[in-house]
Amino acid sequence: DGGITQSPKYLFRKEGQNVTLSCEQNLNHDAMYWYRQDPGQGLRLIYYSQIVNDFQKGDIAEGYSVSREKKESFPLTVTSAQKNPTAFYLCASQPSTGSYGYTFGSGTRLTVV
Amino acid sequence: DQQVKQNSPSLSVQEGRISILNCDYTNSMFDYFLWYKKYPAEGPTFLISISSIKDKNEDGRFTVFLNKSAKHLSLHIVPSQPGDSAVYFCAASVAGGTSYGKLTFGQGTILTVHP
Repeated sequence: DGGITQSPKYLFRKEGQNVTLSCEQNLNHDAMYWYRQDPGQGLRLIYYSQIVNDFQKGDIAEGYSVSREKKESFPLTVTSAQKNPTAFYLCASQPSTGSYGYTFGSGTRLTVV
Repeated sequence: DQQVKQNSPSLSVQEGRISILNCDYTNSMFDYFLWYKKYPAEGPTFLISISSIKDKNEDGRFTVFLNKSAKHLSLHIVPSQPGDSAVYFCAASVAGGTSYGKLTFGQGTILTVHP
């Protein structure tokens, strides 16, 4: 079955550590997105990529980094520079920049301990 | 700058009644609107959408209305069922340019349907 997989589902990070969230899709979608969900703030865009080897900053990119070396993969690294990383992170993919609908992964809950 | 706003954080309705979720937007370049439904600890799933050339789109119990002059859209669920209890996100997209396809989301509205 085609889909988008995020791992791990739960992740605990010590302060000062970098952690990487995985996002893999087998839908042959061109565009991929990372969003962060906080209570009362909806979904805020961190980074997005419309094509392999290219990505753009979203609204809240500070403290995060991404790579897009393969069409199927769009990992997100939460660096120690991100001051408030505890949140629910969602990855999404989109067939092409001409399509509007996203397919979302099931999310990763990141907690700083 | 919140370009898509859902001003009601929560809504509570009785099973069988109508649920109306509202969404306002400020960017007049938005031309496609979507509603997503999200359960806790899961990713959002697509519910229904509407293009700016229409003012209504219906899919079973779900209807979305768009009022472009007021920059307002609403989602109607009739009749509401307990399984509809979830967070509902409104999203909007701009055609063309570097933002093509990128969705801007509202804050979400928690819908609770009581049996």
